[in-house]
Amino acid sequence: EADIYQTPRYLVIGTGKKITLECSQTMGHDKMYWYQQDPGMELHLIHYSYGVNSTEKGDLSSESTVSRIRTEHFPLTLESARPSHTSQYLCASSEWGGSGELFFGEGSRLTVL
Amino acid sequence: AQSVTQPDIHITVSEGASLELRCNYSYGATPYLFWYVQSPGQGLQLLLKYFSGDTLVQGIKGFEAEFKRSQSSFNLRKPSVHWSDAAEYFCAVGALDNTDKLIFGTGTRLQVFP
Repeated sequence: EADIYQTPRYLVIGTGKKITLECSQTMGHDKMYWYQQDPGMELHLIHYSYGVNSTEKGDLSSESTVSRIRTEHFPLTLESARPSHTSQYLCASSEWGGSGELFFGEGSRLTVL
Repeated sequence: AQSVTQPDIHITVSEGASLELRCNYSYGATPYLFWYVQSPGQGLQLLLKYFSGDTLVQGIKGFEAEFKRSQSSFNLRKPSVHWSDAAEYFCAVGALDNTDKLIFGTGTRLQVFP
């Protein structure tokens, strides 16, 4: 069973607020990812990291930012949330030289009013 | 560019019936192919994957998938569906560059009637 955790699971906030979505994994994986998922749409990669102090933007442009100060932790931040940021955010991890399998957290569903 | 197409947005089957979910990909080389399942309110769980070798791949929960290069397809099958199989199913393709970045399809929602 995967050991990757996301908090909060659900968040409803007002426009303009700063929010941070937390993601932690206990598997020692170097690679971590953030995907954005909207109903009826494919998952879009918005950020990824290959290790500590490594962060890259994904294929879908996002106003969010990420940091990777510790191997196990990969938080995503929105400085000023807007209704267009309403979505589900999925965190995932994988290991170098592994099978290519991504291990996913349960997701954080964000609603911005 | 890589892409994944899942032509069926929503499928409904009766419990005990057979199932086939379609997936077509676009990729220049031999791809890594995956099927993931997502239950309501949950993250994605890997069902099976194809890298090379035998084109018929067995996965968890009684699922299998067949890689057909000539058709650029990787369809998911199960001979007898259980009510607990109701979920969203995602096909994905990955690059052979050790990045583990995946391109996902839009998903197929499976509904199972008793």
